[in-house]
Amino acid sequence: SYEMTQPPSVSVSPGQTASITCSGDKLGDKYVSWYQQKPGQSPVLVIYQDRKRPSGIPERFSGSNSGNTATLTISGTQAMDEADYYCQTWDSSAVVFGGGTKVTVL
Amino acid sequence: EVQLVESGGGLVQPGGSLRLSCTASGFTFSDYWMSWVRQAPGKGLEGVANIKQDGSEKYYVDSVKGRFTISRDNAKNSLYLQMNSLRAEDTAVYYCTRPLSTVTTVSEYWGQGTLVTVSS
Repeated sequence: SYEMTQPPSVSVSPGQTASITCSGDKLGDKYVSWYQQKPGQSPVLVIYQDRKRPSGIPERFSGSNSGNTATLTISGTQAMDEADYYCQTWDSSAVVFGGGTKVTVL
Repeated sequence: EVQLVESGGGLVQPGGSLRLSCTASGFTFSDYWMSWVRQAPGKGLEGVANIKQDGSEKYYVDSVKGRFTISRDNAKNSLYLQMNSLRAEDTAVYYCTRPLSTVTTVSEYWGQGTLVTVSS
């Protein structure tokens, strides 16, 4: 089965840029979505089709996908961005999630 | 306003069965693929099953194939997950999700989740 790997944690200072990677075999050939989940809450879609933002998602969230790696970038990170982030794709009609990355805003 | 409300979770013994329901409102239910996603305590997200608009296509994660059945009743705006032969590793919060459009399966809307605990 298809697997995607994320770093367990990323730390960032307020106002700086956080980059969260998601790696998988030929991931660049697939569409990737990203979800944000805060403690005790349901996930929120922040990026889909590699780089598109749903309505209401701030412009500081951006995405890219090439080769074997997709990246979620949070520019000008704010304290409210502290959360778990999951990448997601499809493989043979199955939904696949990465293991998740905890973003800490120090 | 799109709303997804899950119900049916609870405590069940290993080997037992449970049926989850998701009641949808605020959109034309029959126009969308629907999905179940779960999250074990303190763990990540896992796609469990999804179903096409008319129920003609269904997909399952390998770990639940043969044990879980996804279904829908478009007349009742409801999605279901019949879970049989439950195992401890099925313990999780189960979310009902709806895609962001009728031509994609990317989950944009999520319910609040219902907790399933499999334990003796």
